[in-house]
Amino acid sequence: KQEVTQIPAALSVPEGENLVLNCSFTDSAIYNLQWFRQDPGKGLTSLLLIQSSQREQTSGRLNASLDKSSGRSTLYIAASQPGDSATYLCAVRPNTGKLIFGQGTTLQVKP
Amino acid sequence: GAGVSQSPRYKVAKRGQDVALRCDPISGHVSLFWYQQALGQGPEFLTYFQNEAQLDKSGLPSDRFFAERPEGSVSTLKIQRTQQEDSAVYLCASSLAEINTGELFFGEGSRLTVL
Repeated sequence: KQEVTQIPAALSVPEGENLVLNCSFTDSAIYNLQWFRQDPGKGLTSLLLIQSSQREQTSGRLNASLDKSSGRSTLYIAASQPGDSATYLCAVRPNTGKLIFGQGTTLQVKP
Repeated sequence: GAGVSQSPRYKVAKRGQDVALRCDPISGHVSLFWYQQALGQGPEFLTYFQNEAQLDKSGLPSDRFFAERPEGSVSTLKIQRTQQEDSAVYLCASSLAEINTGELFFGEGSRLTVL
């Protein structure tokens, strides 16, 4: 059974720091991996989608990597800003088609 | 529409009442998913539609939960005889592609509180 784990559960950093959020999954047979952002009381906003054949994707200050063989993905946020404060969710897409989510990392960026 | 639209955004129900939650996916999207998110947790899969066909309902927690997408666009998640443990945010997502591929786009969710 596929399980997704995100570490740390919560993170607080001063503005301007570069930071890394970690995601691990137990079954490497996935089609893709997607990172989402969730603001309090809101839905999920897709940040980056990495297909299984890819190793990384970049969007602005965000970079996500995927190492399928070791079951790991990282989300790198450069020069963090208070507006980056949110919960970040990692989800993998196994061959059953349904996304399986981690518990999320709640990020607070202090001004 | 521009994004996935869900209604109502908030619903308070007394225990035992039936509720219906609506999802309008992005126009033309083939795949539609329902997820349940408890407070402080990641979303948990409930059910999946490809067009009007419900291909996977393995995540529905009991037979009180029922979902339909009769014309392959709008979907309704119905919960009968609601219980307190049904309190959660119900998220709908759609994808242009069929199962396995493609990016999922989520709505804002419907927050259900059962008293």
